[in-house]
Amino acid sequence: DTEVTQTPKHLVMGMTNKKSLKCEQHMGHRAMYWYKQKAKKPPELMFVYSYEKLSINESVPSRFSPECPNSSLLNLHLHALQPEDSALYLCASSQGTNTGELFFGEGSRLTVL
Amino acid sequence: GQNIDQPTEMTATEGAIVQINCTYQTSGFNGLFWYQQHAGEAPTFLSYNVLDGLEEKGRFSSFLSRSKGYSYLLLKELQMKDSASYLCAVREGGSTLGRLYFGRGTQLTVWP
Repeated sequence: DTEVTQTPKHLVMGMTNKKSLKCEQHMGHRAMYWYKQKAKKPPELMFVYSYEKLSINESVPSRFSPECPNSSLLNLHLHALQPEDSALYLCASSQGTNTGELFFGEGSRLTVL
Repeated sequence: GQNIDQPTEMTATEGAIVQINCTYQTSGFNGLFWYQQHAGEAPTFLSYNVLDGLEEKGRFSSFLSRSKGYSYLLLKELQMKDSASYLCAVREGGSTLGRLYFGRGTQLTVWP
């Protein structure tokens, strides 16, 4: 199994809503990532988890809150988002933070109204 | 920090060879990756270089020169399905271990 699974594939939310994006991998990878990608732009790193601990936060606003409940799961909790937060949110995993390539999920396309 | 530069667009014809260049400047280096991304899809891993030289994988090859901060992706026997964005990405080492930064991507169009 070389898949990273993300749900939901599409999400529309208002600025006052609270929602969560979910990511799952069963490759035994110990590093997991959240990236944000706007149209025609490269993915931008948001968070890195290593062995279930947050190791990197790229100065992401607190309205985005990551969580790693166990080694296979990664969540991104969303609250009080802005329309400019609309983007494709990509989850990825790798063997470690300095080993192996990143495997990406298909992403969750978020629209904030 | 990092600074990754690659051309915005390239075009080529079916059956041809194309080379996509990438230059980078980074504080600490722990590998260079090439990804392919079709519109609306996730990036797919193509190749990885951490030492100088050429890595070959079927129709795709990637080259790295760490002293020059330079890499290229070579695509041979181009097919229509190779039309996609090709992303160069650099993994930083040292205190910023774990950061993988992407260049803006090169949109390749393959014509029949």
